[in-house]
Amino acid sequence: EVQLVESGGGLVQPGGSLRLSCAASGFTFSNYWMGWVRQAPGKGLEWVANIKQDGSEKYYVDSVKGRYTISRDNARKSLYLQMNSLRAEDTAVYYCARVLLSGWFDPWGQGTLVTVSS
Amino acid sequence: DIVMTQSPDSLAVSLGERATINCKSSQSVLYSSNNKNYLAWYQQKPGQPPKLLIYWASTRESGVPDRFSGSGSGTNFTLTISSLQAEDVAVYYCQQYYTTPYTFGQGTKLEIK
Repeated sequence: EVQLVESGGGLVQPGGSLRLSCAASGFTFSNYWMGWVRQAPGKGLEWVANIKQDGSEKYYVDSVKGRYTISRDNARKSLYLQMNSLRAEDTAVYYCARVLLSGWFDPWGQGTLVTVSS
Repeated sequence: DIVMTQSPDSLAVSLGERATINCKSSQSVLYSSNNKNYLAWYQQKPGQPPKLLIYWASTRESGVPDRFSGSGSGTNFTLTISSLQAEDVAVYYCQQYYTTPYTFGQGTKLEIK
């Protein structure tokens, strides 16, 4: 069974940092692009970042460029999101997702909640 | 950025009736070289992550009931549920993957009338 499990969320003060992790199983992780999508409380979905199979290409939404870094460790079958200079508007559930072919997401993890507040 | 606009924002349909959700993109998501529309649909139930329903605008994901269908091309797309079941209550999102930043519609909340 294909499974993605996120971890690392929590409460952080504005300006702080957090690193999210996503453990993959049930598929050949190194064969797929991977991505992060977030959902603010009671709001819609927002794509955050994608990373190529070998990590050589990374793409970000403008609102996180320069603050977030997506990375992966294919040996550990893990995806990461380093989040720095966090703002209140970054508060959201962050989902890890496998990217299929040209860019749809399937499956999604259960998500991890990041709350940025003083 | 490509803006995705769904209509309506919410919808109440009787059990067994047809539900139709629309999605409009601010520019075409049809890639001329392969004649494919870079458009997906997702279903999100309360407390759950989104679930892929349809990709390439009209290709149903494996395991998705055939009462779900997608149609449209270019800038106008539709998700149709032919006979609404109680388990279809959810928020539905369209997403374009034609270009980054990938963008989603604001969501359509589907309820039982």
